[in-house]
Amino acid sequence: DADVTQTPRNRITKTGKRIMLECSQTKGHDRMYWYRQDPGLGLRLIYYSFDVKDINKGEISDGYSVSRQAQAKFSLSLESAIPNQTALYFCATSPGREQPQHFGDGTRLSIL
Amino acid sequence: TQLLEQSPQFLSIQEGENLTVYCNSSSVFSSLQWYRQEPGEGPVLLVTVVTGGEVKKLKRLTFQFGDARKDSSLHITAAQPGDTGLYLCAGAIGFGSGGSNYKLTFGKGTLLTVNP
Repeated sequence: DADVTQTPRNRITKTGKRIMLECSQTKGHDRMYWYRQDPGLGLRLIYYSFDVKDINKGEISDGYSVSRQAQAKFSLSLESAIPNQTALYFCATSPGREQPQHFGDGTRLSIL
Repeated sequence: TQLLEQSPQFLSIQEGENLTVYCNSSSVFSSLQWYRQEPGEGPVLLVTVVTGGEVKKLKRLTFQFGDARKDSSLHITAAQPGDTGLYLCAGAIGFGSGGSNYKLTFGKGTLLTVNP
């Protein structure tokens, strides 16, 4: 079983819909991250959380929100999806400062 | 502004050739990580370099961190089709009180294709 699990793996939806992407981990790491990956733009940080009570905005947080329900769960929401949020979304975890990040296999999101 | 410049963006070579991927910045990083990503999967860590001038080898892959900790390179010797993938560098910069926390900034990646 994967250590970092993202659901769903693929999602197609319409403009204006609310969408939640979920991430769960069995690695026991405190730190969790949400990134989006776009062709030619690389990985960009949306939100990150260093523990359950600590949530921080990344470089492109507008239009997104997150919830850290437990150490093992970190979800990303798009309250009202728009087409330019079409991208590949990755959740990642790490055990501490400057430690390697462990990524899920991504969610491919298409907004029509 | 792209903090980390990776080059080349695309590279297509024949099996057996050597190649080098570069990661450059005007910022100093406390450490730098290299990841490899295959289609349909998330990035997977290859190596972390921490000390200026450090060289690490992973089989046919050689990683070097610049003396000033602003740049890094990945050299692959005798590339094989299994090396095909997206290679990402990521620099760590401390922030907060005394640099107690850090963020990773990723380059845009180098898409390598090794043809048999």
